[in-house]
Amino acid sequence: DAGVIQSPRHEVTEMGQEVTLRCKPISGHNSLFWYRQTMMRGLELLIYFNNNVPIDDSGMPEDRFSAKMPNASFSTLKIQPSEPRDSAVYFCASSFTFHEQFFGPGTRLTVL
Amino acid sequence: GDSVTQMEGPVTLSEEAFLTINCTYTATGYPSLFWYVQYPGEGLQLLLKATKADDKGSNKGFEATYRKETTSFHLEKGSVQVSDSAVYFCALIGVAGGTSYGKLTFGQGTILTVHP
Repeated sequence: DAGVIQSPRHEVTEMGQEVTLRCKPISGHNSLFWYRQTMMRGLELLIYFNNNVPIDDSGMPEDRFSAKMPNASFSTLKIQPSEPRDSAVYFCASSFTFHEQFFGPGTRLTVL
Repeated sequence: GDSVTQMEGPVTLSEEAFLTINCTYTATGYPSLFWYVQYPGEGLQLLLKATKADDKGSNKGFEATYRKETTSFHLEKGSVQVSDSAVYFCALIGVAGGTSYGKLTFGQGTILTVHP
């Protein structure tokens, strides 16, 4: 099993640019979670999906952030336009509903 | 709502010392409890879990017992190694209902540094 796959692993972009982060969950898992981790705010849940349907997006910081899950094997988190305060490590995790989550390696985003 | 409280860190120990990281929780019913570990530059990994009262989760020499009466899930290891240096997160999944589809509620994390 390849585990949760995230791409890219590192992204450096300039303020105002669009950023798209990608996640492939573990095959067979039906829940997917997007997190953001910073030194100041710790680990924050941004949004999560169950059976490809967004359940709770209350953690999404503002309208510049959007997430989609078009099918069971792929999800994206998009930031448009990006700002320096969006710099963080973004994690994707997947699970069977109500079971432990498996985390991807993360995408380190730097917005200059 | 559900919440998890971990002991304040950071924790600094010498190799072979005994480790305890306290974790208490607030939740309705019988949540599932977890400890995750994050090594530098990596994602979170599940360290151990317990799904019902009095269960003991164990892995890599770490242990934690689900104590319903004290709503606690303290992490212990008898002899830590330098390689155990990491951030440790206590977490729970609450019972079904509402918008809880297995969302993890995390503690704030405890930084552990082990010196040779």
